Amino acid sequence: GAVVSQHPSRVICKSGTSVKIECRSLDFQATTMFWYRQFPKQSLMLMATSNEGSKATYEQGVEKDKFLINHASLTLSTLTVTSAHPEDSSFYICSAREKMAGSGELFFGEGSRLTVL
Amino acid sequence: KQEVTQIPAALSVPEGENLVLNCSFTDSAIYNLQWFRQDPGKGLTSLLLIQSSQREQTSGRLNASLDKSSGRSTLYIAASQPGDSATYLCAGPNSGNTPLVFGKGTRLSVIA
Repeated sequence: GAVVSQHPSRVICKSGTSVKIECRSLDFQATTMFWYRQFPKQSLMLMATSNEGSKATYEQGVEKDKFLINHASLTLSTLTVTSAHPEDSSFYICSAREKMAGSGELFFGEGSRLTVL
Repeated sequence: KQEVTQIPAALSVPEGENLVLNCSFTDSAIYNLQWFRQDPGKGLTSLLLIQSSQREQTSGRLNASLDKSSGRSTLYIAASQPGDSATYLCAGPNSGNTPLVFGKGTRLSVIA
C-alpha cells in the first residue's frame, strides 16, 4: 500500500512554544490530507481537512489559530501547534487519500506524540 | 452525521480461537468501510477495505463483511495468535472525499 510518513514521531516541548509536525505522502500525490488527534484509550477525532493549495477546513471546536495547517504541495501537509499547553499533549495522526485512486482508501502516518511540559 | 459503534470494547481469547469483531454505522450511504489495526502508541495499519458495492474482503486469516442495509460490518479473525493482540478500529466515509469516521475500537488480547 501507499506510504505516509510523519515527522517527528515524538516531541517534547515547553509550554508556550510552537511545534510543527510534517506529514508526507512518499509514493503518491495526495490532494486531501486529514489530521486526527487521539487521547489515551480514545478513538481518533478529526481535527481538520487539509486541501492542497487552499485553506484547511476545521472541525467544530478546533481552534484554527492554534492548530495551523498548511498543505503547500501534493505530498506535504504540516500541522503547527502554536503556543502549546499541557492540554495539547496528545497523539496526532495524519492520513492521506491518493489523488488518482477511486477506492477512497486512506493511508495513515505513524503518528506524532506531543508532550507539552 | 455518520456514527460508528464497535462491540465489544475489549475481548480476551485463548490462542487458536476464531473470533468476530462487530462494527455498526448509522448512515447506510457509507462510501466504503476500512478496518485498521493499531498497536499501543503506534499509528494505524490498514487491514481491509470494502467498497460499498462489495460484501466482503479477505486477506490471509482476516475476513471482513459489509451489510449496508443493516448498517453492519464484521471482522473475522481465524486461528488467532498472540501477535494479533491490538486495537481494531473500523471507519467509513460518506463519500470519496470525506474523512473517515472512527469507532472507538475493540481492544483484543490473544493469550498464549
